[in-house]
Amino acid sequence: AQSVTQPDIHITVSEGASLELRCNYSYGATPYLFWYVQSPGQGLQLLLKYFSGDTLVQGIKGFEAEFKRSQSSFNLRKPSVHWSDAAEYFCAVGENDKIIFGKGTRLHILP
Amino acid sequence: GAGVSQTPSNKVTEKGKYVELRCDPISGHTALYWYRQSLGQGPEFLIYFQGTGAADDSGLPNDRFFAVRPEGSVSTLKIQRTERGDSAVYLCASSANHGGSTDTQYFGPGTRLTVL
Repeated sequence: AQSVTQPDIHITVSEGASLELRCNYSYGATPYLFWYVQSPGQGLQLLLKYFSGDTLVQGIKGFEAEFKRSQSSFNLRKPSVHWSDAAEYFCAVGENDKIIFGKGTRLHILP
Repeated sequence: GAGVSQTPSNKVTEKGKYVELRCDPISGHTALYWYRQSLGQGPEFLIYFQGTGAADDSGLPNDRFFAVRPEGSVSTLKIQRTERGDSAVYLCASSANHGGSTDTQYFGPGTRLTVL
């Protein structure tokens, strides 16, 4: 079975600083990979996804992620965070008809 | 148009009771998914419908959990003899096409279930 590991439970960055959230997956073939964001009181929103092709994927809200097969990683990045980016971020992998989520990383933004 | 809606937003019940959670998918979406999110965890897959039929119910934890989608639109997740361990946020998602993880799944806000 596939799995996703997000090694950081909490991350705190200052507003305007760069951000990188780590994600490692376990899967033999080329995985379908996703990043979702969950804000308080709101549903999960898809930030970006990778299926094939260019390993650098652009998403919404200025986020990007890079698929690195050699490291089994799909880290999420943003060059400059805004206070509104404070939320829970989930890395996920597709397996047949379902999505398998990591445990999430909660992002805190310092003013 | 409207997104995925779920009712109620909060449900408090007593151990041993029966509960129903409702999901209204985005109009026209043929695929519907239920997930459960426990405190401090990511969502866990429960069941997937393609149209009226359950295409994959491998995530249902036991036979106390059941879900239906009789007309291929609204779905109801039913939990019998609730236990305190069932307390979680139950998320519903829908997607437009043939379903599967390559379809973009749109999530509702969830129903927070608390079993006392």
